[in-house]
Amino acid sequence: GQNIDQPTEMTATEGAIVQINCTYQTSGFNGLFWYQQHAGEAPTFLSYNVLDGLEEKGRFSSFLSRSKGYSYLLLKELQMKDSASYLCAVMDSNYQLIWGAGTKLIIKP
Amino acid sequence: GAGVSQSPSNKVTEKGKDVELRCDPISGHTALYWYRQSLGQGLEFLIYFQGNSAPDKSGLPSDRFSAERTGGSVSTLTIQRTQQEDSAVYLCASSFSRERNEQFFGPGTRLTVL
Repeated sequence: GQNIDQPTEMTATEGAIVQINCTYQTSGFNGLFWYQQHAGEAPTFLSYNVLDGLEEKGRFSSFLSRSKGYSYLLLKELQMKDSASYLCAVMDSNYQLIWGAGTKLIIKP
Repeated sequence: GAGVSQSPSNKVTEKGKDVELRCDPISGHTALYWYRQSLGQGLEFLIYFQGNSAPDKSGLPSDRFSAERTGGSVSTLTIQRTQQEDSAVYLCASSFSRERNEQFFGPGTRLTVL
């Protein structure tokens, strides 16, 4: 079966750094996405990785290791507005997105 | 349009009634997805349309659920004989193509079945 695993909840302090991990087992691989979802809102796109390595975009970076079936989202200089759920999704061989359950990130002052 | 739009934003219905949810994707996007999200849960895939191809209905939870996409644009998700467990937020997303699969989501329809 296809499976995406990510922690249910994480807590971090304003100004700090947090890493949200995602491991996956899917039928084929055509890229991995990270989305941010604030409570009561729709998900919004953060990043896309299809090759191994680190993609940096401002305070957010995403890393992929295809051989390990592993990705992480790194958030630096955390702000209170970063409190949200972070969804990992993998595009399988049929170009279907398989979604993780999301990681709820709580930022404390 | 500028973004994906959905209507209604909220729908309260009685158990056993039929409901129709509408999605207007971004102009030019050939792929359209319907998802369901219960409170505090992840996204549950329902159905996927790609151009004029037959839709992927593999995620529909029962035959009470159906969807169509007219003219390759607007889509309607229909739930017949609603049950309380159908209560959730129904999200629609579109992408340029299945290969360029950055999905843009609409604001969702919150369905409450009493």
